[in-house]
Amino acid sequence: DVQLVESGGGLVKPGGSLRLSCAASGFSFSGYTMNWVRQAPGKGLEWVSSISDTSSYIYYADSVKGRFTISRGNAKNSLYLHMNSLRVEDTAVYYCARSLDVAAADYWGQGTLVTVSS
Amino acid sequence: QSALTQPASVSGSPGQSITISCTGASSDVGGYNYVAWYQHHPGKVPRLMIYDVSNRPSGVSNRFSGSKSGNTASLTISGLQAEDEADYYCSSYASTSPWVFGGGTKLTVL
Repeated sequence: DVQLVESGGGLVKPGGSLRLSCAASGFSFSGYTMNWVRQAPGKGLEWVSSISDTSSYIYYADSVKGRFTISRGNAKNSLYLHMNSLRVEDTAVYYCARSLDVAAADYWGQGTLVTVSS
Repeated sequence: QSALTQPASVSGSPGQSITISCTGASSDVGGYNYVAWYQHHPGKVPRLMIYDVSNRPSGVSNRFSGSKSGNTASLTISGLQAEDEADYYCSSYASTSPWVFGGGTKLTVL
């Protein structure tokens, strides 16, 4: 079975940093584009970042560009999100998701909560 | 502000059909056949229900169908059931961003 398990969330002060990880299993991780999508409390889904199978193509939402860095380790079946200069508005549940097709994700992790607060 | 516009809420009785709209622009919904729909029960994981406008992933009931006309995509749920009550999000590829979501629609089964 396909499994995506996020970790690394927690409480951090504004301006701080955090690294999220997503451990993948049950499929050929190196063959898929992977994504981070977040949901702030009481808000809708928001796409954050995507990385292609070989890391050749990387995209970011304008709201995180220059502050967040997506990466992957295909040998470790892992996806990462390095988050710097965190803001209160970055508070959200962060989901790791596997792309089925363009702008469509068929498997999602349970999510990890990031809280940015002083 | 979301790039795609959805109604905040829709409702229907068991057995009825409902349609949720998702309005964008020629730079997203209207320009590409990359519209997807997700079902999200609060506290659970989002579930892909439709991709590429009208395709259903394996395991999704044929009560769920998708379509598009111009800059507006639609999700129709027929034979409404209590377990369909959830939040529904549309998404699309866009020329300015690989992935944009709608604001979400809360479906209430009366």
